[in-house]
Amino acid sequence: DAGVTQSPTHLIKTRGQHVTLRCSPISGHKSVSWYQQVLGQGPQFIFQYYEKEERGRGNFPDRFSARQFPNYSSELNVNALLLGDSALYLCASSLFGSTTDTQYFGPGTRLTVL
Amino acid sequence: GENVEQHPSTLSVQEGDSAVIKCTYSDSASNYFPWYKQELGKGPQLIIDIRSNVGEKKDQRIAVTLNKTAKHFSLHITETQPEDSAVYFCAARTMEYGNKLVFGAGTILRVKS
Repeated sequence: DAGVTQSPTHLIKTRGQHVTLRCSPISGHKSVSWYQQVLGQGPQFIFQYYEKEERGRGNFPDRFSARQFPNYSSELNVNALLLGDSALYLCASSLFGSTTDTQYFGPGTRLTVL
Repeated sequence: GENVEQHPSTLSVQEGDSAVIKCTYSDSASNYFPWYKQELGKGPQLIIDIRSNVGEKKDQRIAVTLNKTAKHFSLHITETQPEDSAVYFCAARTMEYGNKLVFGAGTILRVKS
């Protein structure tokens, strides 16, 4: 079975640009979460979606937005990129997104902002 | 909100020895505690998890213990092998909006052969 897939693998943008990252969850999983991992740190929660609705939002500015599609795939959008947005962006999927659901992570998208 | 502290930040062991990584959490309502292994250039891989109604869980060379009273949990790896070398993260699932995972800062484990 395929795990969580993310695209693109790597991305280089300049300050002020916009970026869209994509995620496909494990087949049968209905919840997707997004995390940002800065080099040398643990992942930080950005969003959780379940059945196309936002179920959680971390402490990130409004430049970050996301959505989930009817097939449960998801997009993370970041506007007006800053140098500090350079990070590994991770997508995790789980069955229902409940409190004890296991989250499985994808390989991530490495975003570099110049 | 939840805060997770992880120690040590780096750990070097000889092949065959045991490795122990410890985490503490602040929110007594947290009820799910996974451990992830992350290799260079890859996403975190779940290696073991424990729920708050259980005190200990084992899976071959890996075990996790949970002390809810003290709000700490630990990862134990026995008979370490060079392929165990990676960064290990503990995490706690909060009951806050979104049921997010809050991660520790990570432990770099080096197994010397």
